[in-house]
Amino acid sequence: DIVMTQSPDSLAVSLGERATINCKSSQSVLYSSNNRYLLGWYQQKPGQPPKLLIYWASTRESGVPDRFSGSGSGTDFTLTISSLQAEDVAVYYCQQYYSTPPTFGQGTKVAIK
Amino acid sequence: EVHLVESGGGLVKPGGSLRLSCAASGFTFSDAWMTWVRQAPGKGLEWVGRIKRTSQDGTTDYAAPVKGRFSISRDDSKNTLYLQMTSLKTEDTAMYYCSAGMGKTDTDYWGQGTLVTVSS
Repeated sequence: DIVMTQSPDSLAVSLGERATINCKSSQSVLYSSNNRYLLGWYQQKPGQPPKLLIYWASTRESGVPDRFSGSGSGTDFTLTISSLQAEDVAVYYCQQYYSTPPTFGQGTKVAIK
Repeated sequence: EVHLVESGGGLVKPGGSLRLSCAASGFTFSDAWMTWVRQAPGKGLEWVGRIKRTSQDGTTDYAAPVKGRFSISRDDSKNTLYLQMTSLKTEDTAMYYCSAGMGKTDTDYWGQGTLVTVSS
């Protein structure tokens, strides 16, 4: 199984400041047929189901604010919130869907400082 | 708009069985890969299993902890996904989410979940 490791486990950021979450896969998740990384990012607010934010490592889902961006290559990926808003308080998960079983990172809790 | 509504959760004793359902609407159900993901209280997300679209033979895959005990099926005529759970263990206690994959990831859209508690 591919192991997904996120860092940090939690972070506190001031409103309007940048939040950066890292995700490392234990092996490549690059799908050679279309040259896309099969890596997604999800946001889970308290008491709610997860919501897809980013897919193919860097493509923003429709309706997701542009302050959310995904980047990375190889086995290292990043979710950036460029200007943290109060409504962004949540746990964020990365997930690889390159191989079965799809696996999630352990989650990163984002809070307001 | 995509809607996924899970049902069938509840309290069950260890060794018991339960069948969860997920009613889907707002998309072409038969075209979607459907997945169950669970989340134990206060913990992270755990993939349970998946069923491919019927045109791909409806192939199923399962996570190691549930293989041989859980079974996923789908009824495209009813736009409904099922999770049959047998030989339940206390560690199966979790919120169970149904999710639909339509080409972006395997889990593009999520339901609100149904809670399963396994306790004596």
